[in-house]
Amino acid sequence: GEDVEQSLFLSVREGDSSVINCTYTDSSSTYLYWYKQEPGAGLQLLTYIFSNMDMKQDQRLTVLLNKKDKHLSLRIADTQTGDSAIYFCAERGENTGFQKLVFGTGTRLLVSP
Amino acid sequence: KAGVTQTPRYLIKTRGQQVTLSCSPISGHRSVSWYQQTPGQGLQFLFEYFSETQRNKGNFPGRFSGRQFSNSRSEMNVSTLELGDSALYLCASSLAPGLTSGANVLTFGAGSRLTVL
Repeated sequence: GEDVEQSLFLSVREGDSSVINCTYTDSSSTYLYWYKQEPGAGLQLLTYIFSNMDMKQDQRLTVLLNKKDKHLSLRIADTQTGDSAIYFCAERGENTGFQKLVFGTGTRLLVSP
Repeated sequence: KAGVTQTPRYLIKTRGQQVTLSCSPISGHRSVSWYQQTPGQGLQFLFEYFSETQRNKGNFPGRFSGRQFSNSRSEMNVSTLELGDSALYLCASSLAPGLTSGANVLTFGAGSRLTVL
């Protein structure tokens, strides 16, 4: 079945860049997403990328997709303390129901001043 | 534009009871799906509704059920609660299924946190 893996924890200093990595197994993935979850809150969509793209940039966020290796990364430039949260990658396969996303385990990002 | 509204935000139940959670999607969104989030299992898909019909279901026992109303609002029900049902239940809405544009993304509510004692 589909599986999405992420490292559990990342710690950076304010102003540095953060890179959160994700690997997935479903070769039929069509869209891949990054969501952010702050304590006590739901999931906030940060960005997404279509599977035929290699890169997408959105302000401080850069998504890189290596479809051959099934590897997705999220780079946050100039990381701020307000970026501290859990980050989830998720994939939507071609053959699944439209709204079914398979989520990774989440990466807890801690930004220290 | 109001976001996805879930009620109640917090609730405590005891084993054996049942619970109903409610979700009001963003105005104009007709598709609703539900996810369960636990520390052990992470985020898992429960089910998806469109036009009052369940379109897809995750790997959960029959104690978990849901429905969607004609105004697109959705409810999910868990009967005969078990300790392991303690979780954050997240509802998400989107415009409609089947659209190929990635812009038709899921918008999540803040969740309903269920504690089973």
